[in-house]
Amino acid sequence: QAGLTQPPSVSKGLRQTATLTCTGNSNNVGNQGAAWLQQHQGHPPKLLSYRNNNRPSGISERLSASRSGNTASLTITGLQPEDEADYYCSAWDSSLSALVFGGGTKLTVL
Amino acid sequence: EVQLVESGGGLVQPGGSLRLSCAASGFTFSSYSMNWVRQAPGKGLEWVSYISSSSSTIYYADSVKGRFTISRDNAKNSLYLQMNSLRAEDTAVYYCARVPVAGTSWFDPWGQGTLVTVSS
Repeated sequence: QAGLTQPPSVSKGLRQTATLTCTGNSNNVGNQGAAWLQQHQGHPPKLLSYRNNNRPSGISERLSASRSGNTASLTITGLQPEDEADYYCSAWDSSLSALVFGGGTKLTVL
Repeated sequence: EVQLVESGGGLVQPGGSLRLSCAASGFTFSSYSMNWVRQAPGKGLEWVSYISSSSSTIYYADSVKGRFTISRDNAKNSLYLQMNSLRAEDTAVYYCARVPVAGTSWFDPWGQGTLVTVSS
């Protein structure tokens, strides 16, 4: 099952802004939007954002998500050392009747 | 506190079987759809299977269809994954995850995961 496309890595400096992208098609991201997950090494994934720009309680306001067509984006402002992690997007694919993930982006905070 | 705890992982030979369990607490388990997601060592996330709250709707990834069976026991607040005909490529940490809002596709929370190793 084809997945979503994410850049493998992004590097930004402390207190800078990082924008992560996730590209799908009209059957997944373009249809129902995407969710974003953060995963630190050795820990389970944690939900950051759903339905494009809704944050669960406790998630930092420095994070915001958006969607344009078949591409979803996650923007993290004022980067902190604890933001260094792997980030995944996900979306339900209506043509596959399956959930698809992106390959993940490793965010490095310099 | 909403909590999911997986168990049942371990070392199994190729062609063997294993049954994973996910114990849920802190919420009304019978009201929520659930999923299994796996992550091979050093790799990304791969969705495995979905089951609706009443077990009426089930989906599988192509990679496990015909070999894995998802089920649940709402009376026991438990989710299961029966894995048969295991292959080396099934080696992964297996997570269970809740669908917090019906009809949606995001998962929250996730369990800590259980490691399945398929090797001779």
